[in-house]
Formats: sequence, structure tokens, C-alpha cells
Amino acid sequence: AQSVSQHNHHVILSEAASLELGCNYSYGGTVNLFWYVQYPGQHLQLLLKYFSGDPLVKGIKGFEAEFIKSKFSFNLRKPSVQWSDTAEYFCAVRGGDNDYKLSFGAGTTVTVRA
Amino acid sequence: DSGVTQTPKHLITATGQRVTLRCSPRSGDLSVYWYQQSLDQGLQFLIQYYNGEERAKGNILERFSAQQFPDLHSELNLSSLELGDSALYFCASSMLAGGTDTQYFGPGTRLTVL
Repeated sequence: AQSVSQHNHHVILSEAASLELGCNYSYGGTVNLFWYVQYPGQHLQLLLKYFSGDPLVKGIKGFEAEFIKSKFSFNLRKPSVQWSDTAEYFCAVRGGDNDYKLSFGAGTTVTVRA
Repeated sequence: DSGVTQTPKHLITATGQRVTLRCSPRSGDLSVYWYQQSLDQGLQFLIQYYNGEERAKGNILERFSAQQFPDLHSELNLSSLELGDSALYFCASSMLAGGTDTQYFGPGTRLTVL
């Protein structure tokens, strides 16, 4: 069974700072990778996804993520955060075509100070 | 708005009781997934239905059951409720059964067991 590890539990930064959230997974086969965001009091929203092709994936709201297969990683980045990026961020993995469920990391709470 | 609807938004009940959570998928989506989000367990997959049939089962307790109806809406039934069942229950939907498919999440039902 796959597992997902998010390195940071809580990140606090100032507006305009750069953000990088780590995500590592354990699964030997083909994977589909996702980052979801959960704003306070709201549901999970898809930020970006990787299925195949270019390992650098661009998502909504200026976020991007890089899939590094050799490191089993899918780190999320944003060059300059805004106060509105305050949210919880979840990395999720689905283990290829024969697996349907998403396995989520524990989440990283990001607080952006104005 | 993801197009996935869940009712009710909040539910407060007592131990030993039974509740039903309802989910309507996005138009055109055939798959429905149920997830539980709690402070100690994080986001965990419970069960998936595809076009009326159970497709995959995760960490779902025997006290919990689900079904998907011909109009594709789904219900999650939780019985003999315990304090530890207090959580956010999310429903997600996708077009296919898996593969290169994206799950879109509903707003969730917050269950409080007293």
C-alpha cells in the first residue's frame, strides 16, 4: 500500500516570500500525483495534478510542482505567496490505473502573514 | 464550487444513533468516493462506488455502509455511532472508475457525536 509523507506540519511566512512544501510517497509502480488545497471552512480544491509527461506541472493560482521520480517526490512551490494562500495543503497519490482511491498526506498548514 | 453537493452540512447526534449522509456527484460523473477527515487519522478513503456498484473499499468500519442509487447519488450510513466517529465526511466524484481521472470534492458533512 502506498503512503504519503508531508515534511512540514505548519509553515508560517510573510507575504511575497517563496513557498516550498515537500511531499514524498512510497509506491513502486506508476503513480498519479495531486496537490489539493483546503481554505478555512471550505472543501478540498484541486491545485494541480501529474499523470505523465513534463515533470514540471503548473496549476492554478501561481502554484507549480515538480515530480522527481528518482526521489519519489512531488514538491509544491509558489514564488511569491499572498495572504489569501493561507490554507491547508494536501499531497495525494493514486497508485496507477488499477487503484482508484487517493492516499493523502497529513497536510501542511500554511499561514501567510500580511 | 466543485459541482458536488452534500447534505446536511452539519449533523449533531448522540452515541448509539444512526445517521445518513447524502452526496450528489457532478453532472456526468459515475464514480462516488467517500472520505473521512479527522484530527487523529487525517484524510482516509472509506469506499468507492461506480455506476451503482461497489468498486473499492478502504478503512471503512463494519458499522458503516454506503450505496449508490440509479440516479447516481450516494448515501453513507453510519450506525451505532461512537464519539470517535466525529469527523468531516467528504464525498468526491469523478467521471471514470480510476486511471487518469480527477476527483472533485464536495463541501463535506461535519458530524459531531456527543
